[in-house]
Parts: sequence; C-alpha cells; structure tokens
Amino acid sequence: GDSVTQMEGPVTLSEEAFLTINCTYTATGYPSLFWYVQYPGEGLQLLLKATKADDKGSNKGFEATYRKETTSFHLEKGSVQVSDSAVYFCALSNTGTASKLTFGTGTRLQVTL
Amino acid sequence: GAGVSQSPRYKVAKRGQDVALRCDPISGHVSLFWYQQALGQGPEFLTYFQNEAQLDKSGLPSDRFFAERPEGSVSTLKIQRTQQEDSAVYLCASSLLQGIRGDTQYFGPGTRLTVL
Repeated sequence: GDSVTQMEGPVTLSEEAFLTINCTYTATGYPSLFWYVQYPGEGLQLLLKATKADDKGSNKGFEATYRKETTSFHLEKGSVQVSDSAVYFCALSNTGTASKLTFGTGTRLQVTL
Repeated sequence: GAGVSQSPRYKVAKRGQDVALRCDPISGHVSLFWYQQALGQGPEFLTYFQNEAQLDKSGLPSDRFFAERPEGSVSTLKIQRTQQEDSAVYLCASSLLQGIRGDTQYFGPGTRLTVL
C-alpha cells in the first residue's frame, strides 16, 4: 500500500537558518503530494501541494518539488522564523482511493532566537 | 467562520461508554473524511463520504466504529463500548470535489478523546 516516510524530529534551528525536512513516498501510479502544518493549539492547515512530477509547490517562503525519480517531496525554506515552529506533515493522495490522505508521522520544528 | 468545526473539542469517557463526535464541514463541500491521530503520529484514514454515501470505510478499526452523514452535510462518528486504545484525536476534513486526487482537504480542530 501507499506510505510516506519523513525525517524524525525534533528539528531545532536558529532564526534565519536554512530548513530542509525530508519526505519520501511509496505509491503506485501518480499520487498528489502535500505538506500540512499544525501550529501549536491549531488544526492541520495545507501549506503547499504538487499534483504531478516536477511541479513545485510554494507558500509562505516554503517550497517543495515533486521528484518522481527519487520519490521525494522535501520541504525547504531559506530563512526560518520563530513563527514557523510547528509540526509538519508530508502526505499523499492517490487515484482510486477516493483522495484519502496518507500521512507521514510528522516532524516537529523548533526555531529559536 | 466558514471553516470545518467539530464538537466536542474534548471528550472523556469511561471504558465501555458510547461516544458521538460531530463534524460540520464547509458548506457545499461534497467530500467528507474522518481520520484518527494517535499521540505523536500522523493522522490515519478512517472513512470517506461523498455527499450522504459512505464510499470507503476501510480504515474503521472495528465494528464498534460507525459513521453517518444522513443529509450530506453534518457527519457523526460514533464509537460504541469505548476502549483505552480508542484514545486519540479524531479529525474531520472536507473537500469541495468528489474524490479528486489533488483536491485540498480542509481540517477541523479535532476532538480529543480520552478513554479512562
């Protein structure tokens, strides 16, 4: 079945540091890929998505590129802020599965001054 | 507020009790999903509705779990004879379209269920 693997956290960075959170997936066919974020005390929010190979999703300075050859969708940001502290989830949805999401286990990011 | 709402936000149940969790999706959204999120884990799919039809219930962990969406809007997830392993956050999500692979799902704040 489909699965998503994320790097384990927590990830602790200083403000303005470069962020990479690795995500790889296993799926048949042509899944869509997502990054969701969960800020403290809040619900899951879509951060960005990509629906086909080589697409780049971007939002709020975050980017991720759908790499079919490496089955990856790594999340990057050039300069993190304290307000980016949250848990980040990589997810996929696939054809024939009613678009249900398969999530990774999440990566907690802590940004300090 | 036009987002997905869930109630109650917190529920404490004694083992063996029945519970009902409610989800109000975004108005006009065709698809509705329930997920279960254990502590420190990612959400896991439970069931999917397209309007009032339950098209996928493959993620329901046992026959103690039951979901309905009788009029194609509000949905209720019911857990009978709760067990300690049912303790988790239950998330509801809705999306505009019907089962489209790249469609964005909008999540509610979740109901945290604790079974004592």
